[in-house]
Amino acid sequence: KAGVTQTPRYLIKTRGQQVTLSCSPISGHRSVSWYQQTPGQGLQFLFEYFSETQRNKGNFPGRFSGRQFSNSRSEMNVSTLELGDSALYLCASRGQGMNTEAFFGQGTRLTVV
Amino acid sequence: GQQLNQSPQSMFIQEGEDVSMNCTSSSIFNTWLWYKQDPGEGPVLLIALYKAGELTSNGRLTAQFGITRKDSFLNISASIPSDVGIYFCAGPDNAGNMLTFGGGTRLMVKP
Repeated sequence: KAGVTQTPRYLIKTRGQQVTLSCSPISGHRSVSWYQQTPGQGLQFLFEYFSETQRNKGNFPGRFSGRQFSNSRSEMNVSTLELGDSALYLCASRGQGMNTEAFFGQGTRLTVV
Repeated sequence: GQQLNQSPQSMFIQEGEDVSMNCTSSSIFNTWLWYKQDPGEGPVLLIALYKAGELTSNGRLTAQFGITRKDSFLNISASIPSDVGIYFCAGPDNAGNMLTFGGGTRLMVKP
């Protein structure tokens, strides 16, 4: 069973640009969550999608958005990039039920210059 | 919202020593998850706990779900260099959807 796949692994963008990151969850998992990880702030929750609907949202500005497709693959988009958006972006997939574990991808390292 | 306080923030130990870290919350959790993250990689699930008082082992790792449901502990016995990394505790919100993470414990092992 394949794990969670995130693409690309590394990305360098310029301030003001936009970026789209992709996440393919474990087969059969319908929940996909996104996290931002920076050295100073730890793991910060961005949003969660379940069956193509955003189910939860963290405290991030509207420049951060996401979507989920019918095959459960998810994308997140960051517009008008700022230097502070440089981080490791992690995606996690979960199965159904209240007590299901989250499995993470390897992450996308975004550097904004 | 729910917050998890993880301690210690970092540990520097000698190979072969035992390690203990913990996570506390002001609110009740129904599930505790422990993850390990290697540099530049995503967190990997180590142990999942679902019942108050539960004690679960995974090789040299042992984790416990506190009786009050407000804390959890992770112990690593006879540490080895590959135990180096950041260990996170996590728990889902009341609806079981969003995971809240502790700040992490950075473990360094001296050979």
